[in-house]
Amino acid sequence: QLQLRESGPGLVKSSETLSLTCSVSGGPLATAAFYWGWLRQAPGRGLEWIGNIFYSGTAYYNPSLKSRVTISVDTSKDQFSLRLTSVTAADAAVYYCARRDYWDVTFDHWGQGAQVTVSS
Amino acid sequence: QSALTQPPSASGSLGQSVTISCTGTSSDIGRYDYVAWYQHHRGKAPQLVIYHVNKRPSGVPDRFSGSKSGNTASLTVSGLQAEDEADYYCSASAATNDVLFGGGTKLTVL
Repeated sequence: QLQLRESGPGLVKSSETLSLTCSVSGGPLATAAFYWGWLRQAPGRGLEWIGNIFYSGTAYYNPSLKSRVTISVDTSKDQFSLRLTSVTAADAAVYYCARRDYWDVTFDHWGQGAQVTVSS
Repeated sequence: QSALTQPPSASGSLGQSVTISCTGTSSDIGRYDYVAWYQHHRGKAPQLVIYHVNKRPSGVPDRFSGSKSGNTASLTVSGLQAEDEADYYCSASAATNDVLFGGGTKLTVL
């Protein structure tokens, strides 16, 4: 049974960098069939795709966040990570990691989510 | 403002059917059959209920069905049950790797 789990600080100061890691278990991260993605949901808002990465390191980002986002992968640890720089209150959200089908937009396995608060 | 447009709320009585729409453009929903729907109970991880417009993942009841016409996709939940009360999000591809979401629809089971 594939499982994903987000980890990282739940509180980030405004203007600093948000960093989260997703640990994958129950299946290989290094597979050509899937991407590994990050999404978020801000209070009162809908889901937002942040970006996704292939096990080789090729990453794609939401154009609206591209200038501040980096997603990286460590296949030796079965982990992938998110860095979001220069955070503001608008970046406060529940952040999810998920597995995405390589060929389309289907996210079929999700982590439970990590709440991130931005303080001033 | 979300890229895909969903009604903010929908409701139906136990046992009835409800349909939720998701409107995009000719560059996303109208162009690709990569439309998915997610059920989200607050505090839990979103769950995929429909992919490729009308396909159900293993374990999802056949009460959930999807369709598409032009630039609008739809999710129908038949035989409403109490546990169907949740937020529902549509998703579509705008290009090879861009993912769009709707703003979500809160489904209330009366």
